[in-house]
Amino acid sequence: QVQLVQSGPEVKKPGASVKVSCKTSQYTFTAYYIHWVRQAPGQGLEWMGWMNPNSGDSGGTKYAQKFQGRVTMTRDTSIRTAYMELSRLTSHDTAVYYCARLLGTDDSWGQGTLVTVSS
Amino acid sequence: QSVLTQPPSASGTPGQRVTISCSGSSSNIGSNTVNWYQQLPGTAPKLLIYNNNRRPSGVPDRFSGSRSGTSASLAFSGLQSEDEADYYCATWDDSLNAVLFGGGTKLTVL
Repeated sequence: QVQLVQSGPEVKKPGASVKVSCKTSQYTFTAYYIHWVRQAPGQGLEWMGWMNPNSGDSGGTKYAQKFQGRVTMTRDTSIRTAYMELSRLTSHDTAVYYCARLLGTDDSWGQGTLVTVSS
Repeated sequence: QSVLTQPPSASGTPGQRVTISCSGSSSNIGSNTVNWYQQLPGTAPKLLIYNNNRRPSGVPDRFSGSRSGTSASLAFSGLQSEDEADYYCATWDDSLNAVLFGGGTKLTVL
């Protein structure tokens, strides 16, 4: 079945950047957008943006306005892996970050990556 | 505060019928299909309903979805204890050019 496997937990200091990976398998990587969603402790789901793995050399992207200028979504097609990098971290960025295929007929989610921002 | 409005909580007893609503506008639910996700404690969300009212294989038929105008609903036709979870609606918004999630509804089985 479709699998999205994310990298492990991260602890970062305020002002640093974090890069989370999402390795996919059991489907055609370039056929589905990869979305990134985060969930702060005890809170709901928040959409961060999508990356189109099939769009040019760098891949097409659409970022939520809130994260514009701070988030970068990329991919390495050769290893079927998507990446999400978030910069200038603050304590408010402490959350579980998910990669996912969304709003389709067979959505699938990664297991989540906990990013903790603490001095 | 989410653009898609869900009640923060809902509850029912085993076997009872329960409904969760998701209210939006013409630019989102009014013009795009809705998916529903179930999130059990400590786990990633899982697709429960797609295209407003379709169930993926493996999802029991006691779960059903509907959409009317700018609102959508998720119904449980015979609540079970294992249904205790958080539920989120989601859709695309044509004006914001963004995916929207509802704020989530915590379902408690009494």
